[in-house]
Amino acid sequence: QITLKESGPTVVKPTQTLTLTCTFSGFSLTTTGVGVGWIRQPPGKALEWLAFIYWDDDKRFSPSLKSKLSISKDTSKNQVVLTLTNMDPVDTATYFCAHLGVIRGAVTHYFDYWGPGTPVTVSS
Amino acid sequence: DIQMTQSPSSVSASVGDRVTITCQASQDIRSWLAWYQQKPGKAPKLLIYGASTLQSGVPSRFSASGSGTDFSLTISSLQPEDFAAYYCQQADRFPLTFGGGTTVDI
Repeated sequence: QITLKESGPTVVKPTQTLTLTCTFSGFSLTTTGVGVGWIRQPPGKALEWLAFIYWDDDKRFSPSLKSKLSISKDTSKNQVVLTLTNMDPVDTATYFCAHLGVIRGAVTHYFDYWGPGTPVTVSS
Repeated sequence: DIQMTQSPSSVSASVGDRVTITCQASQDIRSWLAWYQQKPGKAPKLLIYGASTLQSGVPSRFSASGSGTDFSLTISSLQPEDFAAYYCQQADRFPLTFGGGTTVDI
């Protein structure tokens, strides 16, 4: 059974760096074809893809946010860490991590399992 | 970036109604499209991938079709638990992009 859960601060100040951790179970990021992504959702708004990391440490980022994002994995802890620098009130959102679906052995860019999300408010 | 345009943005319906939501991509995405359902305060749930393939465990009253730039999601007989927001997502090209969402309410 695949589960994911996000953790991190609920409030950060403008210009600070936000670090979010996704702790997962039911799969391993050492297995070929596996990936974990991050998506956010501002209050009352649509979903926005941020980044993901693959089993082979390949990474992809949203171009509009690439300069402030970094992503890493700790396979021994079954965790993926997302970092956003220079936080701004517009970054206020619920942040989700999600597992990338694998169909007939091929990695896809659909998100088939999601964590419950963690709300982050950027405010001084 | 590929823009995903959903319509309508909201729809009011009753239990038993047939509801159809559309999603239009700004470029050809072949069949690389997913549909998600999201209830208030919850994470999205994958309903459909590959434009028309039902995810395991999703009721058969949900169906979807389309390819290229035009896609649709249909709920054949709306149930009380289907009142939620629905999002499409293209998985053909980076950056991955979502539609603006459609809220189905009573």
